[in-house]
Amino acid sequence: GAVVSQHPSRVICKSGTSVKIECRSLDFQATTMFWYRQFPKQSLMLMATSNEGSKATYEQGVEKDKFLINHASLTLSTLTVTSAHPEDSSFYICSWTSGGGTQYFGPGTRLLVL
Amino acid sequence: AQTVTQSQPEMSVQEAETVTLSCTYDTSESNYYLFWYKQPPSRQMILVIRQEAYKQQNATENRFSVNFQKAAKSFSLKISDSQLGDTAMYFCAFMKQNAYDKVIFGPGTSLSVIP
Repeated sequence: GAVVSQHPSRVICKSGTSVKIECRSLDFQATTMFWYRQFPKQSLMLMATSNEGSKATYEQGVEKDKFLINHASLTLSTLTVTSAHPEDSSFYICSWTSGGGTQYFGPGTRLLVL
Repeated sequence: AQTVTQSQPEMSVQEAETVTLSCTYDTSESNYYLFWYKQPPSRQMILVIRQEAYKQQNATENRFSVNFQKAAKSFSLKISDSQLGDTAMYFCAFMKQNAYDKVIFGPGTSLSVIP
């Protein structure tokens, strides 16, 4: 199956700083990808949908100025958490879709904001 | 809007036994996909099984099978011959049959396989 990587796998930062998370598809190209957030013992909640070459579409309640998404190419997307606060501590997962109902999930990034 | 419900937050099963996880969903769509994903302690999402709504035949993958009742909007997962490695969170999920649509996840069921 297709491989998706995320970097870093875990990050600890101070409150008020910005953190960038990278998501790469290693062996396929896709125009559409998704960013999810998962709090402890909860399900995956979609944050935004991103298409290469256009602006991301954010779900209701997700601040677009706080969670910046850059869909730089068909194999790379980045999520930047700006001015992070402790409540942003969570597990962030990206997924690429190749169409036809197939989703490829990254291994996730654990963010801890102190 | 589509919703996915899993009414069993936690379940346990003896090793080698069979367990069924429940899932119901709500949608006005006619064509869609349903999935069961497994999330082990590593937190990597793993596709267990997938069902296309237009197919009447229930999907099976080795020890995993589903009971898909389209009219009742029910999609349960049966795990046969449970193994210790099946211990994980299981998420039922829905996706419209649009080539690039999002996946909507249920709240999850934590399954423990007891030796």
